[in-house]
Amino acid sequence: GAGVSQSPSNKVTEKGKDVELRCDPISGHTALYWYRQSLGQGLEFLIYFQGNSAPDKSGLPSDRFSAERTGGSVSTLTIQRTQQEDSAVYLCASSKTRDRVSEQYFGPGTRLTVT
Amino acid sequence: GNSVTQMEGPVTLSEEAFLTINCTYTATGYPSLFWYVQYPGEGLQLLLKATKADDKGSNKGFEATYRKETTSFHLEKGSVQVSDSAVYFCALKIGSGGGADGLTFGKGTHLIIQP
Repeated sequence: GAGVSQSPSNKVTEKGKDVELRCDPISGHTALYWYRQSLGQGLEFLIYFQGNSAPDKSGLPSDRFSAERTGGSVSTLTIQRTQQEDSAVYLCASSKTRDRVSEQYFGPGTRLTVT
Repeated sequence: GNSVTQMEGPVTLSEEAFLTINCTYTATGYPSLFWYVQYPGEGLQLLLKATKADDKGSNKGFEATYRKETTSFHLEKGSVQVSDSAVYFCALKIGSGGGADGLTFGKGTHLIIQP
């Protein structure tokens, strides 16, 4: 079946602009996760959704970051007033459930470059 | 908190050599343990997992055993191929709540196999 998809695959934006990143999880997966991969910080967990709810937003790097999920499916990660330090690859993953044994499947990522 | 430590490399081996990539962890709860692989230009793929002590995960000739007493999950392969060249990430996940719902990753080990 179809895997996790993300769009756009690449995004170049000017400092100060807002960007929106999209994730389509595997059908039927109730849990959805956002991560950031950068050379300096490695792979960082940002936020997760169980259904449409995000119980804990403490992993988001700043209040310029927000995320939502609608219909228990598609999720968007929004970064307002982008800064150069936001440049990274943003990864989305989904899993059948949120429990610790459930495998997470990753999308190809969105490479964000802030100039 | 939770953390994963692994050798960063690069690790360079000749084809058919024996591979070990060390991974140790600290966790506030009882984690599941995972190895993910990222081939050049590709996304993160789950390689193997183990969900309880003494479990052995295996896939594509790779193996790792969950050692609770030494808090380790070392990745091994008996005979590596050039096609195994990639970055390998060790990761853990504990139960839900308190920001612990995402995977905690190590920094990644860059493996280079020479013919």
